[in-house]
Amino acid sequence: QKEVEQNSGPLSVPEGAIASLNCTYSDRGSQSFFWYRQYSGKSPELIMFIYSNGDKEDGRFTAQLNKASQYVSLLIRDSQPSDSATYLCAVKGGNNRLAFGKGNQVVVIP
Amino acid sequence: DGGITQSPKYLFRKEGQNVTLSCEQNLNHDAMYWYRQDPGQGLRLIYYSQIVNDFQKGDIAEGYSVSREKKESFPLTVTSAQKNPTAFYLCASSIRGPATEAFFGQGTRLTVV
Repeated sequence: QKEVEQNSGPLSVPEGAIASLNCTYSDRGSQSFFWYRQYSGKSPELIMFIYSNGDKEDGRFTAQLNKASQYVSLLIRDSQPSDSATYLCAVKGGNNRLAFGKGNQVVVIP
Repeated sequence: DGGITQSPKYLFRKEGQNVTLSCEQNLNHDAMYWYRQDPGQGLRLIYYSQIVNDFQKGDIAEGYSVSREKKESFPLTVTSAQKNPTAFYLCASSIRGPATEAFFGQGTRLTVV
């Protein structure tokens, strides 16, 4: 089992719709969870982080964490063409090791 | 301005040569990381360091070496033992501790010619 898994293929959503991305992780001792956005040819930039079970909202983004199921998700509401990018899930353990999933490409169709 | 600087942005290497990628940060971060990204792939951890003079192997350390002699600097050497070094290399840093996000440099694109 991979440390951080993002299994969905490219996601196409109409402008204004909700994009939903999922991520699972293998280490039950993981303590913090991050979503990064990466545009083609650029470095990743942080858009959300979550440490506690439940939901965390920031503007059009909502992160959801379920530690019992080892599952973290990201919802993007009112998707815009500028949201078209690759979204990377990252998990950090107590040893400061920061592991990433392979990412999900999101394409917002005008 | 505080940030992470990677240099050079583009690098070409001949087969059989070692090459060193620079990563410098002025954020006073303890932890630093090196990742490799191949086209259409996520980030794979090469090495990371939590404090000066200490570092740990990541998932793909073979063919790479690092040093952490100063808090601000974490250079990565791609050796001739790395058989497929062409990739996008990203350096990141964070405050030490689990509940802290990592910030990235702009990356170095290495091509073997």
